[in-house]
Amino acid sequence: GAVVSQHPSRVICKSGTSVKIECRSLDFQATTMFWYRQFPKQSLMLMATSNEGSKATYEQGVEKDKFLINHASLTLSTLTVTSAHPEDSSFYICSASLGTSGGIGSGELFFGEGSRLTVL
Amino acid sequence: GQNIDQPTEMTATEGAIVQINCTYQTSGFNGLFWYQQHAGEAPTFLSYNVLDGLEEKGRFSSFLSRSKGYSYLLLKELQMKDSASYLCAVMDSNYQLIWGAGTKLIIKP
Repeated sequence: GAVVSQHPSRVICKSGTSVKIECRSLDFQATTMFWYRQFPKQSLMLMATSNEGSKATYEQGVEKDKFLINHASLTLSTLTVTSAHPEDSSFYICSASLGTSGGIGSGELFFGEGSRLTVL
Repeated sequence: GQNIDQPTEMTATEGAIVQINCTYQTSGFNGLFWYQQHAGEAPTFLSYNVLDGLEEKGRFSSFLSRSKGYSYLLLKELQMKDSASYLCAVMDSNYQLIWGAGTKLIIKP
C-alpha cells in the first residue's frame, strides 16, 4: 500500500518555540493531505485540509496563525506549531488520499506515523 | 448535529469472536471506514463500506446498513495483537470524515 512518512516522531520543546512537522507521501502524489490532532483517549480531530499549491482550509476553532500549514509539493506538507505552549502538547497525525482530484475516491486514507509533541 | 457512537471499551478472549458496533447520524453519507489504532501509533485502514452488506477481509469483516445508520466490525480468531482501539468514521456529504471516539478492545488469554 501507499506509504506516508511523518517526521519527527517525537519532539520536546520549550514554551514559546516553534516546531515543524513534516508529512511526506513516499510513493504517490497526494494533492490533498489532512492534519489531525489527538488528545489521550480521544478521537482524531481534523485540524485542516491541505491542498497542494493553495492555502489550507482550517476547521472551526483552529488558529491558522498558530498552526501554519504549507503544501508546497505533491509529496510534502508541513505543519508548524508557532510559539508552542504546554496546551499544544498532543499527538499530531497527517494523512493523505489516493483519490483523484483530492477526493477519497478509493475509499482509503493513509496515515503518517504521528508526531508526539511535548511542550515544557 | 453529526454523531458517531461506538462502545468505549470491550473485552474478549483470545481465539474468540467479537463484534464492535457503530451507529451514526450524519449530513449525507459517502462511506464508512474502520481503522485500527494501537496505543501511541497512527491509525491503520481496515475497511471501507459504501454499499449495504458484509465485506470480508481475512479475519476481519465489516457490515453496513445505511437505512439503519449502523455498521459493525467483526473480528474472528482473536489474537493478542488485536488489542487496540477501533475507530469508526463516516464520510459526510462534504466528503469530510466524522470520527467516532473509538472502541478500546482488550484481549485476554
